[in-house]
Amino acid sequence: EDQVTQSPEALRLQEGESSSLNCSYTVSGLRGLFWYRQDPGKGPEFLFTLYSAGEEKEKERLKATLTKKESFLHITAPKPEDSATYLCAVRVTGGGNKLTFGTGTQLKVEL
Amino acid sequence: GAGVSQSPSNKVTEKGKDVELRCDPISGHTALYWYRQSLGQGLEFLIYFQGNSAPDKSGLPSDRFSAERTGGSVSTLTIQRTQQEDSAVYLCASSLKALNGGAPETQYFGPGTRLLVL
Repeated sequence: EDQVTQSPEALRLQEGESSSLNCSYTVSGLRGLFWYRQDPGKGPEFLFTLYSAGEEKEKERLKATLTKKESFLHITAPKPEDSATYLCAVRVTGGGNKLTFGTGTQLKVEL
Repeated sequence: GAGVSQSPSNKVTEKGKDVELRCDPISGHTALYWYRQSLGQGLEFLIYFQGNSAPDKSGLPSDRFSAERTGGSVSTLTIQRTQQEDSAVYLCASSLKALNGGAPETQYFGPGTRLLVL
């Protein structure tokens, strides 16, 4: 069975304190790994798609990387507005077009 | 341009009643998805439409759940005889045509409908 596990469940950072969120996956075959950001009361907002090991993508203070077993979302010098739940999802071979999600990491950045 | 819209944003119903949730995808997106997000759970896939057809209904939890899509656009998710365990946020997403075996198209999500069954 395809599984996506995110850690930590919750993370509290001081403004400017860089850190990484982890998404580990066990799947039959990876066709794409997605990162989303979700603010309270809202739907997930797309951040990145990664397709193959070694791939990296950046957007502002965020950088996503991918290996054969896991993905990291690195947050450099975070600001309070980066506070949100970050979701990781995979699309797998033979899984059709659905996404399988992890349970997310709830990030809080404090002044 | 406009994103995915969903209505109602909130719905409170009594156990045993039927509810209809609506999703209006991004214009030009032929693929549409329904997911459910329960407290403390990850998003759970329910059903996928390509055009008006639903090639993957594998996530529908019971026969009380059904969905349809008309005109390749708006979709309605219907839950019959609601139960308290149906309480969740129901999220709709859309994407450009999803090609089996091809690169996965990005799914863009709506704001969700928060359903509470009393």
